[in-house]
Amino acid sequence: GAVVSQHPSRVICKSGTSVKIECRSLDFQATTMFWYRQFPKQSLMLMATSNEGSKATYEQGVEKDKFLINHASLTLSTLTVTSAHPEDSSFYICSARDLTGGGEKLFFGSGTQLSVL
Amino acid sequence: GENVEQHPSTLSVQEGDSAVIKCTYSDSASNYFPWYKQELGKRPQLIIDIRSNVGEKKDQRIAVTLNKTAKHFSLHITETQPEDSAVYFCAATSSNTGNQFYFGTGTSLTVIP
Repeated sequence: GAVVSQHPSRVICKSGTSVKIECRSLDFQATTMFWYRQFPKQSLMLMATSNEGSKATYEQGVEKDKFLINHASLTLSTLTVTSAHPEDSSFYICSARDLTGGGEKLFFGSGTQLSVL
Repeated sequence: GENVEQHPSTLSVQEGDSAVIKCTYSDSASNYFPWYKQELGKRPQLIIDIRSNVGEKKDQRIAVTLNKTAKHFSLHITETQPEDSAVYFCAATSSNTGNQFYFGTGTSLTVIP
């Protein structure tokens, strides 16, 4: 299947700092990428939909000024957690939809474990 | 919007037995239903999917069935093996418009050797 690359895989940072997470579609173009947050033993919580060349669409309750999303190209979306606090510690995972050939499969990045001290 | 419910939340089976996980959805416009397997600390991996114009699909030990009328779909794993132990998520989406995927709450499957 298609490959989605996510970096970094693990981040430990001090409270108040900002952290940038990158999500790349390696062998297909993705006009839309999705960002999720996942707590231990829980489901994937959609945070926002990243749209290439336009503003991201945020889910209710997600602070757009805290979780900045940029989708500047057809293969790259970034999520920046600004002024991170311990409660932002979580597993963040991106996904991209491969529409090549009329398909509709969703592929995930490897996730980023964020720990804010 | 779409609402996907998944049951059971946990499931333990003896090695070699079958496992069945069930999901229901609410939006009749949903027409694509994938299943993902997620091992601890790793990304969800697509294991099988089904479109609304098909009632059943099988891939070796894994099968998915879909009942459009009742709006439910199920994952069937036969001859389970310890390496099948993971969390399984169902999802529903309308592929026509590239809408977002709506995920079930997950089922933690444990296969006991």
